[in-house]
Amino acid sequence: QVHLQQWGAGLLKTSETLSLTCAVFGGSFSGYYWTWIRQPPGKGLEWIGEISHNGITKYNPSLKGRGTISMDRSKNQFSLKVRSLTAADTAVYYCARSNAVAASGFDPWGRGTLVAVSS
Amino acid sequence: DIVMTQSPLSLPVTPGEPASISCRSSQSLLHSNGYSYLDWYLQKPGQSPQLLIYLSYKRASGVPERFSGSGSGTDFTLKISRVEAEDVGIYYCMQSLQPPLTFGGGTKAEIK
Repeated sequence: QVHLQQWGAGLLKTSETLSLTCAVFGGSFSGYYWTWIRQPPGKGLEWIGEISHNGITKYNPSLKGRGTISMDRSKNQFSLKVRSLTAADTAVYYCARSNAVAASGFDPWGRGTLVAVSS
Repeated sequence: DIVMTQSPLSLPVTPGEPASISCRSSQSLLHSNGYSYLDWYLQKPGQSPQLLIYLSYKRASGVPERFSGSGSGTDFTLKISRVEAEDVGIYYCMQSLQPPLTFGGGTKAEIK
């Protein structure tokens, strides 16, 4: 059964760069989209972006070009970087997998990483 | 962006009774393949969201049969035939038709 394990720095300052990594265990990288989603405290879910198994990326325009998603197939990992952080980037960040062809939803999800941005 | 609107915001539920949540999209989610690209997720307290339904009506693996999804185009419904105590949490609908993928604001289900 596929399992996602994520990690990264949890306390950052404004203008710094967020860096999170998600490792995929028990499954293949191929044939899937690898996605980042965030949830500000007490609020709803926001899709950040995705990377396909062949490296094609898509981002939410709400990030205003500050986000980069990359992958390391040799390690079965994918990563998120968000530059020029503000307090509005404070959120729990989740990684998740979706099937590229079947459109079968985000499953599984990582456990989430709380990132707090302070001045 | 496609705007997703859920109702109600709060849903008091009674174990053993049915419950339903509505989700409406600002544009049709109907793909040329005939499927509507609408998913449902449940976020239990303190947990990551979990997939319940995809393509508007397909139940995800391991999801109890009491959960069902219906609808097409712009109007969708998630139904729980008989609520159980473990069904409390926040339910989200999400469109996966076009980026940016967008979620509804959530419906909080609590035991009455």
